[in-house]
Amino acid sequence: EVQLVESGGGLVQPGGSLTLSCAASGFTFSSYAMSWVRQAPGKGLEWVSSIYAGDENTLYAVSVKGRFTLSRDNSKNTLYLQMNSLRVEDTALYYCAKVVSNSCYAPHDYWGQGTLVTVSS
Amino acid sequence: DIVMTQSPDSLAVSLGERATINCKPSQSVLYSSDNKNYLAWYQQKPGQPPKLLISWASTRESGVPDRFSGSGSGTDFTLTISSLQAEDVAAYYCHQHYSTPFTFGGGTKVEIK
Repeated sequence: EVQLVESGGGLVQPGGSLTLSCAASGFTFSSYAMSWVRQAPGKGLEWVSSIYAGDENTLYAVSVKGRFTLSRDNSKNTLYLQMNSLRVEDTALYYCAKVVSNSCYAPHDYWGQGTLVTVSS
Repeated sequence: DIVMTQSPDSLAVSLGERATINCKPSQSVLYSSDNKNYLAWYQQKPGQPPKLLISWASTRESGVPDRFSGSGSGTDFTLTISSLQAEDVAAYYCHQHYSTPFTFGGGTKVEIK
């Protein structure tokens, strides 16, 4: 059974940093691209970042590029999102999602339950 | 950026009736090299993560009831629920993964009339 378990969310002041983790199990983690998608309270879905399966090339939304860094540790089956210079508008539930292929240009077939990031003073 | 215009914003349908949701990308999401539409549909129930219903515009995912169907190509897509059931109450989102930034439609809330 595929499982994605996010952690690391919390309350942080504007300008602060957080690192989100996503522990994956039930599939060959190293063979699939992975993404983070966020959802502000009461709002729709917003893609944040994706990483390819093998070569660790990454893609970012303009709103987070230069502030967020996506990485993966295939030996630990874990996906990370380092978030710096956080802004109030980054407040959202952050979902980890598995892509159906090794390419980022594909749909997401499994999603975690999400971890909440709140940026507030 | 590809803007995904989804309509309507909300929809109230009687049990057993048809529900139709539209999605119009601002540019084509049909990739000529593989003749695939890089468009997916997701269902999100309150308090739950999204669930993939339809991939590549018209491929129903395993375990998804056959009352759900996706159609369309290029810049015009439709998600149809042929006979609405109580458990289909949810928000539905279209999503393009053709070009970055990957984008989602604004969502359609489906309720029972």
